[in-house]
Amino acid sequence: QITLKESGPTLVKPTQTLTLTCTFSGFSLSTSGVGVGWIRQPPGKALEWLALIYWDDDKRYSPSLKSRLTITKDTSKNQVVLTMTNMDPVDTATYYCAHSPPAIFGVVMGGTGYFDYWGQGTLVTVSS
Amino acid sequence: DIVMTQSPDSLAVSLGERATINCKSSQSVLYSSNNKNYLAWYQQKPGQPPKLLIYWASTRESGVPDRFSGSGSGTDFTLTISSLQAEDVAVYYCQQYYSTLLFTFGPGTKVDIK
Repeated sequence: QITLKESGPTLVKPTQTLTLTCTFSGFSLSTSGVGVGWIRQPPGKALEWLALIYWDDDKRYSPSLKSRLTITKDTSKNQVVLTMTNMDPVDTATYYCAHSPPAIFGVVMGGTGYFDYWGQGTLVTVSS
Repeated sequence: DIVMTQSPDSLAVSLGERATINCKSSQSVLYSSNNKNYLAWYQQKPGQPPKLLIYWASTRESGVPDRFSGSGSGTDFTLTISSLQAEDVAVYYCQQYYSTLLFTFGPGTKVDIK
């Protein structure tokens, strides 16, 4: 059974750095094709993909936020960490981490980019 | 960047009736080498995380009722709920994962009971 849970501060001040941790179980991030992504959702608004890290440490970032984001993994701890620098009130949102499943492409197991298991999300408010 | 649009923004359907949601991508999400459309659909109920319904444009996720179906190819896709149930009230999002530089979601379509 795959589960993911986000943790981190609920309130950050403008200009501060946000660090969120996704702790997961039921899968290994060393398995070929597997990925873990971060997606956020401002209150009442749509989903926005932020970043994704694959089993082979390949990292992808939203181009509009790339300069502010860092995603890392600790396979031994079953954790993925997202840091976002220079937080602003517009970054107020619920932040989700999610599992991205592998797929077989020919004879190779590769990453996809859709998300089949999600954490419950954590609301981060940016305010002074 | 691949931009995703959805229509309508919202719709109200009577219980037992069909609901149809459209999703359009600004460029094709069909990968010619494997003939797969890199398009997923999610359902999000208030206060809950999104739930995967459909991937590869038409493959239903395990456990998803068969009243949900996905169709389309290239740039135009449809999510159909064949017989709307009360528990289907939610916001529905499409997502492209063709462009690995930016996995974009659509703006969402809200489905209510008429």
